Amino acid sequence: EAQVTQNPRYLITVTGKKLTVTCSQNMNHEYMSWYRQDPGLGLRQIYYSMNVEVTDKGDVPEGYKVSRKEKRNFPLILESPSPNQTSLYFCASSPDLGTGGVGYTFGSGTRLTVV
Amino acid sequence: AQSVTQLDSQVPVFEEAPVELRCNYSSSVSVYLFWYVQYPNQGLQLLLKYLSGSTLVKGINGFEAEFNKSQTSFHLRKPSVHISDTAEYFCAVSRSGGYQKVTFGTGTKLQVIP
Repeated sequence: EAQVTQNPRYLITVTGKKLTVTCSQNMNHEYMSWYRQDPGLGLRQIYYSMNVEVTDKGDVPEGYKVSRKEKRNFPLILESPSPNQTSLYFCASSPDLGTGGVGYTFGSGTRLTVV
Repeated sequence: AQSVTQLDSQVPVFEEAPVELRCNYSSSVSVYLFWYVQYPNQGLQLLLKYLSGSTLVKGINGFEAEFNKSQTSFHLRKPSVHISDTAEYFCAVSRSGGYQKVTFGTGTKLQVIP
């Protein structure tokens, strides 16, 4: 089944403890992106990647890192999480650069709580 | 820069009644428009999209949307809603052609009342 898989689904952590949220897609998509979803703010893009070793900042990149060493994987790294990073995170992928009209396939989300 | 406005944060509607979820966008160039649906505790899935051609677009689950260039709108409609349509709906826009950033609206929660 074609899908984007995120892990974990739920995560509670403490301030300052480094964490990684994994994202993997099995569709050979070139484009991958991370979003955070907050009430009243919709989805905001954190980082995106147009191909292996090619990443760029989205609208809200502060406090986050990403890497794209393989086409299928696009982990999101929080080096020193803070409570304002408590949010619902989504990974998405697309077969072309950006949308090209195809649209995104989203993962099921990771609900992160930083205390 | 492009932007999307979903004026209604919540829309309650009785089962079997029609519904319209409003979306307005701003962009100085040609755009692609999308509607995504997010069911509780799930990711977003594509409901329908407008790329070009016919301004009336049909999607999954009986939804349709109409692109109106003069009013810069892309409202989502369904003639008769079901309980299972209870979800949050997001409108999104991108400039047409090649890689272009996708901008999402803030979402509209549709609550279908039995």
